[in-house]
Order: sequence, then structure tokens, then C-alpha cells
Amino acid sequence: NAGVMQNPRHLVRRRGQEARLRCSPMKGHSHVYWYRQLPEEGLKFMVYLQKENIIDESGMPKERFSAEFPKEGPSILRIQQVVRGDSAAYFCASSPVASPKEGYTFGSGTRLTVV
Amino acid sequence: QQQVKQSPQSLIVQKGGISIINCAYENTAFDYFPWYQQFPGKGPALLIAIRPDVSEKKEGRFTISFNKSAKQFSLHIMDSQPGDSATYFCAATTSSNTGKLIFGQGTTLQVKP
Repeated sequence: NAGVMQNPRHLVRRRGQEARLRCSPMKGHSHVYWYRQLPEEGLKFMVYLQKENIIDESGMPKERFSAEFPKEGPSILRIQQVVRGDSAAYFCASSPVASPKEGYTFGSGTRLTVV
Repeated sequence: QQQVKQSPQSLIVQKGGISIINCAYENTAFDYFPWYQQFPGKGPALLIAIRPDVSEKKEGRFTISFNKSAKQFSLHIMDSQPGDSATYFCAATTSSNTGKLIFGQGTTLQVKP
């Protein structure tokens, strides 16, 4: 089992460009969670998705950020018109159930740098 | 009310010593308290977790102590080793939170040989 795969590992974007971060969950996991980690801070929840559905997006900024988890393929976190403040590490976690108590596994993250 | 406060921000311990990291919460609906370990360039990995119906849980050199009345819990690392040098995060969630974790700010632990 390959674990949760995130790519790219590092992403550099100029201000105003779009960033697309991908997360392939573990086999058998249909629940995906995205978190953002700013420098010297803990992880902050952004969004929770199941296949083709956004279940909880209470942590997503209202503008420029969107997420999807299509029927086929990885979950995508999209940031439009990036700004310097978007520079952070973005982690996804996948789980077989809607709970961190069983098999909740994090990927190694995508480190976004906006220049 | 959704916050989890973690201290200290950083910690230096000699090899063989005890590392203690503390967390406090406000939301009495929290019913699951995991600790995660994160090495540089990696994602967080579950270390140990506790439910509020027990006051202590031990796994090897790692122990969680839980004080429900004070709404505090702590991680103790016994016989700390240089390989334990990492960032540690406490977290909390509720059964109705659909798996969303609320993380503390993190503690960077350095164990000196």
C-alpha cells in the first residue's frame, strides 16, 4: 500500500498564477481532508470531501480556493491568483471512515512558495 | 472554543531525560485526543491517542496523561532519544466532527546526545 500520495512535493508560483495540488488517497479510503500549515504553526483544517461531494468546507477561505474529489482520480486543491500569504505546506489526509480513529493517514505534503 | 493550546513552543532535553508537552482545550464535546509526530519534510504521523474515559495511556516510552476536570492533557516521552527530535502536535476532535482535527500549535523537541 503506497500510502497517501501528494504531488508535487514542492511548487513555486508567481503572484497571480494558479496552483493545483493533488492528493491520491490510500486504497480503500473514500474520505479526504485538506489542511494548511503556515510556518511555525499547527495544521489548520480546510475542507473535507468524499467522492464527488464536499462535506465540510468551513476552513476554506471564501475566495480563490476550491477543492474537488472526482469519481475517478485524485483530490485537487486549487488556489487561483495566488498571493504571498498562500505560501505554506498543504497536507491531505485520507481515511476509510469519517473519523480520525481508524486509519487516518497524512501525506508528505506540498510546499507552496509564492514569489 | 474550538482551540487547542499547546506549550511549550520548543523544548530541549538531554538524552535519557523526560520530555513533557502540555495541551489545554475548552470544548467539552471533544472526545478523542491524538498526538502526532512530524519530522522535517514529512506529514504528521499518529503517535498515540486517548479518549476522555481514561486518565492515562502508555505505549512504550510514550504516555498520555489526561485530566478531564482541568481540560488538559499531556505527552510524556520517557528516556528521550535523539531520534525523538521532531515536532509534536496535540489534536482534538468530536465524534460529530466528521473527522476534522483541531491541532495545537506544535512543540519542536530537540534531544541532545
